[in-house]
Amino acid sequence: QVQLQESGPGLVKPSETLSLTCTVSGGSISSSSYYWGWIRQPPGKGLEWIGNVYYSGSTTYNPSLQSRVSLSVNPSKSQFSLKLTSVTAADTAVYFCARRVDLRQQKAFDLWGQGTLVRVSS
Amino acid sequence: QSVMTQPPSASGTPGQRVTISCAGSNSNIGSNAVNWYQQLPGTAPKLLIYSENQRPSGVPDRFSGSKSGTSASLAISGLQSEDEADYYCAAWDDSLNGVVFGGGTKLTVL
Repeated sequence: QVQLQESGPGLVKPSETLSLTCTVSGGSISSSSYYWGWIRQPPGKGLEWIGNVYYSGSTTYNPSLQSRVSLSVNPSKSQFSLKLTSVTAADTAVYFCARRVDLRQQKAFDLWGQGTLVRVSS
Repeated sequence: QSVMTQPPSASGTPGQRVTISCAGSNSNIGSNAVNWYQQLPGTAPKLLIYSENQRPSGVPDRFSGSKSGTSASLAISGLQSEDEADYYCAAWDDSLNGVVFGGGTKLTVL
């Protein structure tokens, strides 16, 4: 079955760039039915959508993060990635990658990675 | 502050029926599909309901969803201890051109 797995540093210094990768296994990242997304959750708080990327490379971002975030996709490696620049302590969160179904009858994040905690601290 | 509003907490006893509300606006719930996610402690969210009232394979029919205007609700009947979790509503927002989540509701089974 399809699985998603996040990877990347668990500790990032303030003002630096947070970089995470999500590896998709058991299925194709190039399907026209899916977008690939990132969602984060600060400790003890709710979910915040970061953005989506399509296999073609087209992206949509949360307006509140748009100036600092960049998503990319590498179909040959079945991976998609997140970069968040100029991080502060407020960016400390569990970061989830997820698959977003994009069909007429269903538009939802139907598959999630286990999440990875990223702390921003010097 | 979330674009869509949920009560921070809800509770019920085993066997009871509980409902969780989600209040949005014309740009999200009013014009797009509503999804519900269940997040058990220490785990990733799981899709519970999509398109207002559809259950993915494997989700018990004790869970149901509805929508009216700019509000949506999740109902859980025959409450069980394993239903204790955080529940989030979500929808596409046409004004923000992105996905918005409710603030989440922590369900306690007494």
